[in-house]
Amino acid sequence: DAGVIQSPRHEVTEMGQEVTLRCKPISGHNSLFWYRQTMMRGLELLIYFNNNVPIDDSGMPEDRFSAKMPNASFSTLKIQPSEPRDSAVYFCASSRFQGYTGELFFGEGSRLTVL
Amino acid sequence: QKEVEQNSGPLSVPEGAIASLNCTYSDRGSQSFFWYRQYSGKSPELIMSIYSNGDKEDGRFTAQLNKASQYVSLLIRDSQPSDSATYLCAVASGGSYIPTFGRGTSLIVHP
Repeated sequence: DAGVIQSPRHEVTEMGQEVTLRCKPISGHNSLFWYRQTMMRGLELLIYFNNNVPIDDSGMPEDRFSAKMPNASFSTLKIQPSEPRDSAVYFCASSRFQGYTGELFFGEGSRLTVL
Repeated sequence: QKEVEQNSGPLSVPEGAIASLNCTYSDRGSQSFFWYRQYSGKSPELIMSIYSNGDKEDGRFTAQLNKASQYVSLLIRDSQPSDSATYLCAVASGGSYIPTFGRGTSLIVHP
């Protein structure tokens, strides 16, 4: 079975540009999570969806960040405008049953560099 | 604020030894506990979960949970160089079941 699929794997952009990261969760999983990982702060939850509905977006750092999940098989995380401090690895993860038990399956991540 | 604390390491052990990784958490309402392994440049991968006090064994891995003391540990027996990675402790509270991650402990197993 295919795992969580993220794209792009690497993105280098200039400050002020719009960045869109994409995620396809594992089929049958009804919860989707966006995490950001940096050396300084570790793995931080940005937002999570249950049955395509955003449940908790308290981790989204600012209004420059937005996330959507138009259907069960696709989600996007958008940063507009991007800033150098947004440079990080962004992981998408999916799970069954409303994130039950915290058993998350992670994608390979999107490494973002903002110059 | 829920916190999960781990020693960043690196923890260096010789091949064949037992590696012991520890984690403490602040939320007494926590009910689910996990260990994820993350190789350099890769994504986290779940290796153990534990929900009740005591030990849980899976192959060379043993997870230990002590809710009264608010700590969870991971023992890796017969450590192999392929076990060299960062180990992330994750804790989820009842209700949301959304895990909070520690920053991880780097493990190095040298031949």
